[in-house]
This record gives sequence, C-alpha cells and structure tokens, in this order.
Amino acid sequence: GNSVTQMEGPVTLSEEAFLTINCTYTATGYPSLFWYVQYPGEGLQLLLKATKADDKGSNKGFEATYRKETTSFHLEKGSVQVSDSAVYFCALKTSYDKVIFGPGTSLSVIP
Amino acid sequence: GAVVSQHPSWVICKSGTSVKIECRSLDFQATTMFWYRQFPKQSLMLMATSNEGSKATYEQGVEKDKFLINHASLTLSTLTVTSAHPEDSSFYICSADRSNTGELFFGEGSRLTVL
Repeated sequence: GNSVTQMEGPVTLSEEAFLTINCTYTATGYPSLFWYVQYPGEGLQLLLKATKADDKGSNKGFEATYRKETTSFHLEKGSVQVSDSAVYFCALKTSYDKVIFGPGTSLSVIP
Repeated sequence: GAVVSQHPSWVICKSGTSVKIECRSLDFQATTMFWYRQFPKQSLMLMATSNEGSKATYEQGVEKDKFLINHASLTLSTLTVTSAHPEDSSFYICSADRSNTGELFFGEGSRLTVL
C-alpha cells in the first residue's frame, strides 16, 4: 500500500541554519506530493506541493523537488527563522486513494 | 482567509456526556470531509471520511457508535463524541479537499478535554 516515511525528530537548529527534512514514499501510480505545516496550537496548512516528477514546490523560502527515481520529496530551507518552529508533515495522494500523511517532524529553531 | 472552520476550538466536558464538533467549508461545497485525531507529538490519525447525504466511512479500529458523524449539507459536517471518557481527550481536526486534488484545507482543530 501507499506510505510516507519521514526523518525522525525532533530537529533543533539555530537561527539562519540550513534545514533538510527527508521524506520518501511508496506508492502505486504517480502520486501528488505535499508538505503541510502545523504551527503550535493550530491546524495544518499546506506549505507546498508538486504534482509530477521533477516539479519543484516552493513557498516561504521552503523548497522540495519531486524525485521519482529516488521516490523522495525532501524539504529544504536555506536559512531558518524562529517563526519556522512547527511540525512538518509530508503527504501523498494518488488518484484513487485518500491523502496519506507521514508521522511528522518537529522543528525547533532557537535564536 | 480560512476556507474550513471548526467550532468549538476547545471544549471541556464531564465524563459520560456527549460533545459535538462542527466543521464548515466557508466558500465551497464539500461533498467529502475528513476527520482526524491527533495525539500529543504524534501524527494525524484518519478517523473517518464524511460523505454528504450518506453514511460516513470509518477507518479500522474507530468505533462508529462512539464517534457519530453527520454530513447533512454540502458545507457542514459534525462529529459527536458520545459518552465521552478521559481517553477521548485529544485534538480533533477536520479537512476538506476543495478540488479533489489532494490539497486539503484544514480546520483550526478542536481540543477536547474530558474530566
């Protein structure tokens, strides 16, 4: 079945550090891939998405590239801020299935 | 602005009582909505898929008589936690897929505390 694997957290970084959160997936067909973010005490919101191989999603300085050959969709940001502290969820959806979420990676950015 | 809204955002109730949580799509019609449960520091657990005008589809292990879902209109789904117990305390989140692309819009979440 379809599944999403993310790197284990929590991740703690200093402000302005480089961020990578790894995400790999298993899916039949050609899924759409998503990163959702959950700020403390809030619901989730879409951060970025990519719908086909080699697409790059980007938003708020975050980027992720859909890599079909490695079945990956790693999230990156060149310089994190304290306000980026949140839980990040990688997710996928195929045409005939519901959205599948990864376990989430908690990020804490310290000044 | 928000396109999916939940109410209440937090609720405290006594053990044995029932609690209703509402989920509304604000500017689109949602034939399908999703209800999740989230435990502290854990991922989202899909509880059920709410279908307008028909019965909800529950995930394995979720008690349908415990978590009643009603999707009576294209903009409103409700989750009722019946005879709540302390172990039902959790963060409940709803979502809807506005364009059936997998891009979900989430409500703000409802934190339930059962005393």
